[in-house]
Amino acid sequence: EAQVTQNPRYLITVTGKKLTVTCSQNMNHEYMSWYRQDPGLGLRQIYYSMNVEVTDKGDVPEGYKVSRKEKRNFPLILESPSPNQTSLYFCASSRAGQGHYEQYFGPGTRLTVT
Amino acid sequence: QKEVEQNSGPLSVPEGAIASLNCTYSDRVSQSFFWYRQYSGKSPELIMSIYSNGDKEDGRFTAQLNKASQYVSLLIRDSQPSDSATYLCAVNYRGNEKLTFGTGTRLTIIP
Repeated sequence: EAQVTQNPRYLITVTGKKLTVTCSQNMNHEYMSWYRQDPGLGLRQIYYSMNVEVTDKGDVPEGYKVSRKEKRNFPLILESPSPNQTSLYFCASSRAGQGHYEQYFGPGTRLTVT
Repeated sequence: QKEVEQNSGPLSVPEGAIASLNCTYSDRVSQSFFWYRQYSGKSPELIMSIYSNGDKEDGRFTAQLNKASQYVSLLIRDSQPSDSATYLCAVNYRGNEKLTFGTGTRLTIIP
């Protein structure tokens, strides 16, 4: 089954404790992206990757890091989480260079930072 | 500033009626348009994509695109309670892999 998976699905942590949210897709997509979703603000892009070893900032990259060492994986790293990073996070993937860019989303990770 | 705007709603529609959702975008250099459905606490699910002016139909859903007026709409015929969700409009701008999302319209179908 074609899918995007994220882990963990729920995470409660404390300020300053480094964490990683994993994202993996099995569709051989070149493009992967991380979003956060907050009430009234919609989906905002954090980082994206056009292919292996190619990443770039989205609209709200502060406080986040990413890496793309393999085509299927795109982990999101919070080196020192803060309460304002409490949010619902989505990973998405799509084919690139085809002109259509339909993105497919993972199930989401609900993060609470206390 | 590239923006995608939607009425946040809520939009209430009786069961069996046509639900009409609208989206405007600010930049003419756009090439691909998408409608996603998102149930509360779930991930966005792609339901329609449209790339050229006119109408595109898929079952009970019809997407309409008017590039000259910079709007895209989604019609849902024979609305069902299961259509109650937030609908997100997304636009891809030419030369950029990124999707820009609107904040969504919350639709409620009243039985």
